[in-house]
Parts: sequence; structure tokens; C-alpha cells
Amino acid sequence: AQTVTQSQPEMSVQEAETVTLSCTYDTSESDYYLFWYKQPPSRQMILVIRQEAYKQQNATENRFSVNFQKAAKSFSLKISDSQLGDAAMYFCAYRSGLTSGTYKYIFGTGTRLKVLA
Amino acid sequence: NAGVTQTPKFQVLKTGQSMTLQCAQDMNHEYMSWYRQDPGMGLRLIHYSVGAGITDQGEVPNGYNVSRSTTEDFPLRLLSAAPSQTSVYFCASSSVGIGHQPQHFGDGTRLSIL
Repeated sequence: AQTVTQSQPEMSVQEAETVTLSCTYDTSESDYYLFWYKQPPSRQMILVIRQEAYKQQNATENRFSVNFQKAAKSFSLKISDSQLGDAAMYFCAYRSGLTSGTYKYIFGTGTRLKVLA
Repeated sequence: NAGVTQTPKFQVLKTGQSMTLQCAQDMNHEYMSWYRQDPGMGLRLIHYSVGAGITDQGEVPNGYNVSRSTTEDFPLRLLSAAPSQTSVYFCASSSVGIGHQPQHFGDGTRLSIL
């Protein structure tokens, strides 16, 4: 079975600085996708960034980028130029690819990010 | 485009009562799922469905039933509510086509069992 581990329950960053959130996963599948979701106090789940396992190039979305290390099964999220609005709970998620037939998403336990003014 | 709609947003039940949490999506997504979110435990999958008439259990299915009679709707039933089912519940949907199909989430239902 697949597992997703976020070992940092809470992180803090100064406004305008850079922070990296860690995520590791375990799987025997070769076809899968990885996601980072943001959950602000409003409780909405917002997609931040996604990565296909077959792509070696790290995904980037504006100030958000990932460091995808497939062999190490690591998928960390880097937030550059942190803003007060980035304060939220961040969840790492794994989804099996089409070949598995399950389509299940597995979520980590989350990292609460605090942004200090 | 409403996306994923969950009702109700809040609910208080007494132990032993039953109720149904509603979830509807208008994106013609094949995949729908229910999660519960508890402090320190992330989102745990309760049940999911990959199409009308097809459902399967997730990580924590006990005490919950689902059905998928249409593509649009995926209700979650609590058969006999217990205090341990106090949680925030999220419904989500996605396409199962080729590619990195992200899930679209509803706004959640905060459920308290007294």
C-alpha cells in the first residue's frame, strides 16, 4: 500500500523569505502523480502544484516549485518570497496512475505554515 | 459552474441518529470520494467511486455507506452516529482520464456528534 509522510507538523518563515516543506512517499508503482494542496483557515482545499512521476523536470507555478527526487521518493515544496497569504495547512498527496485502476488519493498529515511579518 | 457542492455545511447529531451528507458535482467527473479530516491526521479516505454503480472502501469505511446511482451525486450515509465520527467531511471529484487530474473539493461539512 502507498503511504505519504510529512514529518514537519509546523513550519515558520519570515515574510519574503523562502521555505521548504518536506514530503516523502512509499510506493511500488511506476505510474503515479503527486500534488501539493493548500488549506487556508477557510477550510477550502486549493491545488498548489502537481507533478507527474514520469517527468524528470520539476514543476513550477509562480513562487511555488517542487524538488522531485523519484529514486529517493521525495517531493518537497519550495515557497519563494513568502507572503502572509501563504499561511495555511499544506498537504502532500499521491495518486495512482491510470494503469493501477484504483485512482485513489493518499494524503499526508499536513504541515502548518506560519508566515511572520 | 458550481464545481463540487456539499450540503449541509454544519450539522449536529445525537448519538445513534442517522443522516446523509450530500455531494454533487457538475463537471461530469467519473471519480468521486469522501474524506474525513481530523486534527493531526490529514485527510483519510472513507469511500470512493469510479463511476455510477461502482463504489469501494477506503481507509476508514466502518460506520459509513455510500451509493452512486448517477454520475453527479455521491451521498455519504451515517447509519448510527457515534461521537468518534465527529469530524470535518470533504467530498471531492476528478476525471480519471490520462494525465495529472487533480481533485476538486467541496467546502466541507463540519459534523458534531453529541
